[in-house]
Amino acid sequence: GNSVTQMEGPVTLSEEAFLTINCTYTATGYPSLFWYVQYPGEGLQLLLKATKADDKGSNKGFEATYRKETTSFHLEKGSVQVSDSAVYFCALLKTSYDKVIFGPGTSLSVIP
Amino acid sequence: SAVISQKPSRDICQRGTSLTIQCQVDSQVTMMFWYRQQPGQSLTLIATANQGSEATYESGFVIDKFPISRPNLTFSTLTVSNMSPEDSSIYLCSAWTGVNTEAFFGQGTRLTVV
Repeated sequence: GNSVTQMEGPVTLSEEAFLTINCTYTATGYPSLFWYVQYPGEGLQLLLKATKADDKGSNKGFEATYRKETTSFHLEKGSVQVSDSAVYFCALLKTSYDKVIFGPGTSLSVIP
Repeated sequence: SAVISQKPSRDICQRGTSLTIQCQVDSQVTMMFWYRQQPGQSLTLIATANQGSEATYESGFVIDKFPISRPNLTFSTLTVSNMSPEDSSIYLCSAWTGVNTEAFFGQGTRLTVV
């Protein structure tokens, strides 16, 4: 079946460090891929998305590239800030009119 | 895009009681979904709410415990019935417009059962 795997957390980084959160997926065909972010005490917000192979999603300094050959969608940011502390969920959507499948989430803490 | 409003945003309930969570979307949407997020966990889909028909439940979730209504294309409710402390979670409503490839989420309802 369809599934999403993320690197285990929690991840703790110093401010301005480089961030990578690995995400791989299992699905047939060409799902759409997403990163959602959940700040403490809040709901989910879409961070970025990619809908086809080799697409790069970007937002707020975060980037992720849809790699069909490695079935991956790793999240990166060159210089994290304290305000980036949150839980990050990788997710896929198989087709229109389908459900979003989430990875387990990766908690990120950025310390000054 | 779609803006989703959930009510209540949080509640503390006595065990054995029921709570109905409302989800209002600012535009007509094809698909609506209800998710549960237990403390420190990821999101688990409870059911897909279909307009004009019964909801479709995922494995491990049943209609008697989580009855869902979807009376029109902009509104849905989820009831958590006969609550126990194990039902303490965040419940999130999601909507899918069918126009683009993004699912929108409400802010969630933080439920604590005591």
